Amino acid sequence: SQTIHQWPATLVQPVGSPLSLECTVEGTSNPNLYWYRQAAGRGLQLLFYSVGIGQISSEVPQNLSASRPQDRQFILSSKKLLLSDSGFYLCAWSGGGREPQHFGDGTRLSIL
Amino acid sequence: GENVEQHPSTLSVQEGDSAVIKCTYSDSASNYFPWYKQELGKGPQLIIDIRSNVGEKKDQRIAVTLNKTAKHFSLHITETQPEDSAVYFCAASKRSNDYKLSFGAGTTVTVRA
Repeated sequence: SQTIHQWPATLVQPVGSPLSLECTVEGTSNPNLYWYRQAAGRGLQLLFYSVGIGQISSEVPQNLSASRPQDRQFILSSKKLLLSDSGFYLCAWSGGGREPQHFGDGTRLSIL
Repeated sequence: GENVEQHPSTLSVQEGDSAVIKCTYSDSASNYFPWYKQELGKGPQLIIDIRSNVGEKKDQRIAVTLNKTAKHFSLHITETQPEDSAVYFCAASKRSNDYKLSFGAGTTVTVRA
């Protein structure tokens, strides 16, 4: 069966520091991968998605970037974090048919 | 782009009663509608989904109905139990937009014992 892993589960970072969140999927090949942000009490906002290695689509302009160095690895990064980057970041995957999407357990990011 | 509205934002029900959550969408081309349940500190888990060629789908105590003409879909939970307490999200997507999901803002369901 397929599983998705995100780490770390929680992260506290100072303003201006760099960020790297990692997501890996097991049990499938060539998944579609997604990064979402969930603000407190809000729905999920799609940040990036990828249909293959090195292929990244950005949905909203922001201080973050994404990379896919391997088939089942998706990384969310920032060179300098802002206070507004705080939130709950979720990674998701889907198969070739693009649906449904399955989510990891997220990373709670707090910026101080 | 697609706009999904979800109501109510909070819902409190007595154990054993039914819970209904309603969503509307704006893009008539949307053809896939999943529902997710999110427990505290966890990622959303898919509980049921429906495609536009179907009007209703059931899975044990959970059912989803879709009205394409009115562009709304609903989640029905019968015989609610304390473990049904969570935040529920609806979403919509379409093939022409790479099936990118547009989410509602969520409904916090509390089941009172």
